Amino acid sequence: DIQMTQSPSSLSASVGDRVTITCQASQDISNYLNWYQQKPGKAPKLLIYDASDLETGVPSRFSGSGSGTDFTFTISSLQPEDIATYYCQQYDNLPDTFGQGTKLEIK
Amino acid sequence: EVQLVQSGAEVKKPGESLKISCKGSGYSFTSYWIGWVRQMPGKGLEWMGIIYPGDSEIRYSPSFQGQVTISADRSITTAYLQWSSLKASDTAMYHCARHRTDFGGPHDAFDIWGQGTMVTVSS
Repeated sequence: DIQMTQSPSSLSASVGDRVTITCQASQDISNYLNWYQQKPGKAPKLLIYDASDLETGVPSRFSGSGSGTDFTFTISSLQPEDIATYYCQQYDNLPDTFGQGTKLEIK
Repeated sequence: EVQLVQSGAEVKKPGESLKISCKGSGYSFTSYWIGWVRQMPGKGLEWMGIIYPGDSEIRYSPSFQGQVTISADRSITTAYLQWSSLKASDTAMYHCARHRTDFGGPHDAFDIWGQGTMVTVSS
């Protein structure tokens, strides 16, 4: 299985801050990388697919970049409603694998 | 509206069998892969397997192969996840989710998610 190493595991930031999460794959996955947001007690929500494409209806403050093994997820200006856990997911090789998650809190 | 609606929470004893469901509506059920994702209490997401309801092709994660069975009934647009003998370690939230496109094959993002089914296994 491809291992996805996500960092940091937790992050505390202030409203308006720029927030960055990274995800590293154990092998080249091209751009087959998605980012999800999960709020407590809710199902995950797709934010970014194919490493950098914004899912319909997702605010433009969310963005993704990268290819190969190194990927970045950014929130340009943190909003209170962005408090959640974020996961990366590779879908280049089955089984798909997720990063361990980044829990984002407001400072 | 495209949606997946999962069956309700279950409380079972070790050794019992269980089948949970995920009903799709608002789209062509046979054209999109549906997957199952496990989330143990306080933990992350684990991809279990996917099924293509059009021809019932199934792909399992090696971690779950032989431990669960994935199936689908096209006539009632419903996918299933079942266990023949539950263990305490099966206690988790189980999510079903649909692939984003109908042309990505078994490789795609999940764009539509069910609300989750909590399975508790305890003696």
